[in-house]
Amino acid sequence: KAGVTQTPRYLIKTRGQQVTLSCSPISGHRSVSWYQQTPGQGLQFLFEYFSETQRNKGNFPGRFSGRQFSNSRSEMNVSTLELGDSALYLCASSGEPAGRNNEQFFGPGTRLTVL
Amino acid sequence: AQRVTQPEKLLSVFKGAPVELKCNYSYSGSPELFWYVQYSRQRLQLLLRHISRESIKGFTADLNKGETSFHLKKPFAQEEDSAMYYCALNAGANNLFFGTGTRLTVIP
Repeated sequence: KAGVTQTPRYLIKTRGQQVTLSCSPISGHRSVSWYQQTPGQGLQFLFEYFSETQRNKGNFPGRFSGRQFSNSRSEMNVSTLELGDSALYLCASSGEPAGRNNEQFFGPGTRLTVL
Repeated sequence: AQRVTQPEKLLSVFKGAPVELKCNYSYSGSPELFWYVQYSRQRLQLLLRHISRESIKGFTADLNKGETSFHLKKPFAQEEDSAMYYCALNAGANNLFFGTGTRLTVIP
């Protein structure tokens, strides 16, 4: 099976712009989670989608949003970019709907740089 | 609120020596704990989960609810074990709460 893919791999934006990142889960996986990784804060959970519904949301401002399509592909959007949004954004998919003790399969990440 | 603490940012051991990566957690519910690993230039991947109670690549981890710990251990470290290790707590449906990670270096 192909792994989790994320596009684009690298992005450079300026403050105030918005950005959309895409994630394709492993075939058959319906849960997609998003994480932000920074040197200062480490790995932080953004949100999780299952069957097009957001089930969980982390402690991030409303500028961070996401959605999931019927084919389980997911996008996350960040509006009004700030310098502090520069990070590696990781997507992970899981094949278990209950979300308990599940293995999450991570993508390679999208490196976002905000200038 | 949930918390995962990995007190060591860096850990160096000699090849063949035992290794222990510490992880302590704070969680009001029934904990589900994992160790994830990231080798150089590779993706973050699951190493083991407490529910499985298995040994992966020679590593084991036992959940100690009394001490709220989930330390990762291996009796004889190998050079290929050098990597970044993250302890994680499942705080909801596929919502992983990560520790800050420990970079393990195995010295030949």
